[in-house]
Amino acid sequence: AQTVTQSQPEMSVQEAETVTLSCTYDTSESDYYLFWYKQPPSRQMILVIRQEAYKQQNATENRFSVNFQKAAKSFSLKISDSQLGDAAMYFCAYRSAHGNNRLAFGKGNQVVVIP
Amino acid sequence: DTGVSQNPRHKITKRGQNVTFRCDPISEHNRLYWYRQTLGQGPEFLTYFQNEAQLEKSRLLSDRFSAERPKGSFSTLEIQRTEQGDSAMYLCASSRSGTGYTGELFFGEGSRLTVL
Repeated sequence: AQTVTQSQPEMSVQEAETVTLSCTYDTSESDYYLFWYKQPPSRQMILVIRQEAYKQQNATENRFSVNFQKAAKSFSLKISDSQLGDAAMYFCAYRSAHGNNRLAFGKGNQVVVIP
Repeated sequence: DTGVSQNPRHKITKRGQNVTFRCDPISEHNRLYWYRQTLGQGPEFLTYFQNEAQLEKSRLLSDRFSAERPKGSFSTLEIQRTEQGDSAMYLCASSRSGTGYTGELFFGEGSRLTVL
């Protein structure tokens, strides 16, 4: 089974600054997808950004970007110009390109934004 | 698109009681998932349906847990003879399937279970 590791339980960032969340994963597959999901307090989990493993170009969604290093099995998330609304738990997730769409999640990173 | 809906949002029960959670997925989604999330952990997969067929169950899903998805629409997750270790957030998610779909799951807000 694939495992996803997030090793920094809590990260603090000043408003308007940049924070980077780390994620590594273990797989023997070559074709897969990686995701970052955001879970605000008492609210539903929503997709932040998606990366297809076959794409070399790093995904970007507005202030959110990833650094995907396939050989190193690393998938970090950078949040630029942090805003108070970015405060949440962030989960890195892996999905095989084959099968049932099941996601394997890491333990999460708590992001605290300091005004 | 009304999103994934879960009920009840909170349930407090005594050990040994049965509880049932309901999930209404996004209407055009044929895949439905149940996950369990405990404090400080990421969601853990429990089970998965494609239409009305339950295609995969995790080893986490003990004999006390049963899930159904009659007619391929809403789903229920029942826990019998609850134990304190069942206290968690139960998340439901849904998705489409098919060529080109990259597997994003859409989550509900979850049903929080507290077993006293």
